[in-house]
Amino acid sequence: GENVEQHPSTLSVQEGDSAVIKCTYSDSASNYFPWYKQELGKRPQLIIDIRSNVGEKKDQRIAVTLNKTAKHFSLHITETQPEDSAVYFCAASGGYQKVTFGTGTKLQVIP
Amino acid sequence: DAGVIQSPRHEVTEMGQEVTLRCKPISGHDYLFWYRQTMMRGLELLIYFNNNVPIDDSGMPEDRFSAKMPNASFSTLKIQPSEPRDSAVYFCASSFGGGGRSIYFGEGSWLTVV
Repeated sequence: GENVEQHPSTLSVQEGDSAVIKCTYSDSASNYFPWYKQELGKRPQLIIDIRSNVGEKKDQRIAVTLNKTAKHFSLHITETQPEDSAVYFCAASGGYQKVTFGTGTKLQVIP
Repeated sequence: DAGVIQSPRHEVTEMGQEVTLRCKPISGHDYLFWYRQTMMRGLELLIYFNNNVPIDDSGMPEDRFSAKMPNASFSTLKIQPSEPRDSAVYFCASSFGGGGRSIYFGEGSWLTVV
């Protein structure tokens, strides 16, 4: 089955700096890569996603990049703010309709 | 839409008792997922349904766990008998279409087995 690895497990940045979270996947059939943000005590919520026919996607301060050849994808958050502090999960899915999540990255934005 | 609705939100039960978690997916969604989240193991997929039919239950930890989806608007996850190591947050999620579609999570059921 699919295996998704996520790094780093924790990340601290100063407010205003950028944060980058990286994930790798194993199943070349995976074609959809969502990112979820989970605030403390809350549910995971989709913040951005990318499909395999696209190399990069941006939404305001958030961007995702995908390298299908290397089987890795990344989340980039620019101009970080304290409200960006949360756990971020990457995920991958493909033809089996099964979404596999990474282990999560706890992001702390220091004011 | 009210989103995915789960109940109970919190439950504390004694070891050996039966626990039933309930989920109402978003109307019109044809996939339903049950996840378990713990600090040690992260987000684990337990089982998922497509059009009320279980498709993959390979994540169900053992026979003490069972899940049903009698109709398109209701699913249950049952643990019998419960054990302290079952303590976790159990999320139900739904999507329209499977892989390649956004999954929407409920608020979770926080289970503590003492």
